[in-house]
Amino acid sequence: DSGVTQTPKHLITATGQRVTLRCSPRSGDLSVYWYQQSLDQGLQFLIQYYNGEERAKGNILERFSAQQFPDLHSELNLSSLELGDSALYFCASSATGARGEKLFFGSGTQLSVL
Amino acid sequence: SQQGEEDPQALSIQEGENATMNCSYKTSINNLQWYRQNSGRGLVHLILIRSNEREKHSGRLRVTLDTSKKSSSLLITASRAADTASYFCATDQTGANNLFFGTGTRLTVIP
Repeated sequence: DSGVTQTPKHLITATGQRVTLRCSPRSGDLSVYWYQQSLDQGLQFLIQYYNGEERAKGNILERFSAQQFPDLHSELNLSSLELGDSALYFCASSATGARGEKLFFGSGTQLSVL
Repeated sequence: SQQGEEDPQALSIQEGENATMNCSYKTSINNLQWYRQNSGRGLVHLILIRSNEREKHSGRLRVTLDTSKKSSSLLITASRAADTASYFCATDQTGANNLFFGTGTRLTVIP
């Protein structure tokens, strides 16, 4: 168990809808990362937060947004969903958010857009 | 793409044999990490090697890094059925703010 908790584990929704994925980092970790894993794109970095502030941004679509709350949990909001958004979404955390730090991953949220 | 590439894409071996996976990348790095992913689960960090290191060991794992060739290898010795998983390299690239993951090697260890 990595100590990173993600909910829900599975999500099935329709095109055009909006969903929220939730992540609680390991106790004491200040930084949270979101990754998208799909068969054709591999593991893609979306966004990183450190202590409530956005630190780095990757291939995150404008339809997607995220935030990290004062209690350090994070949410990833996906809106106007398309079939191609179906993927496994991972949250990871690290102690300080320093570059190259090892990451602890949650078990992921499997999103299916029908 | 800034992603690394693992080779082979898939590897099937008998229990007790050694498994070697390779990772190639394109830019300068500060460190390289290897992660394991069991089917449908989260990634688990295995080992980190810094750019000024050439070899590192952790239990049955041996990682090498050749920065001149921009490549790394992960050797798992005396493999077990429980080693069946996908293995990813991740690079901390100079000038970038996040880890870039490779495409992964799917390892199957046959009991």
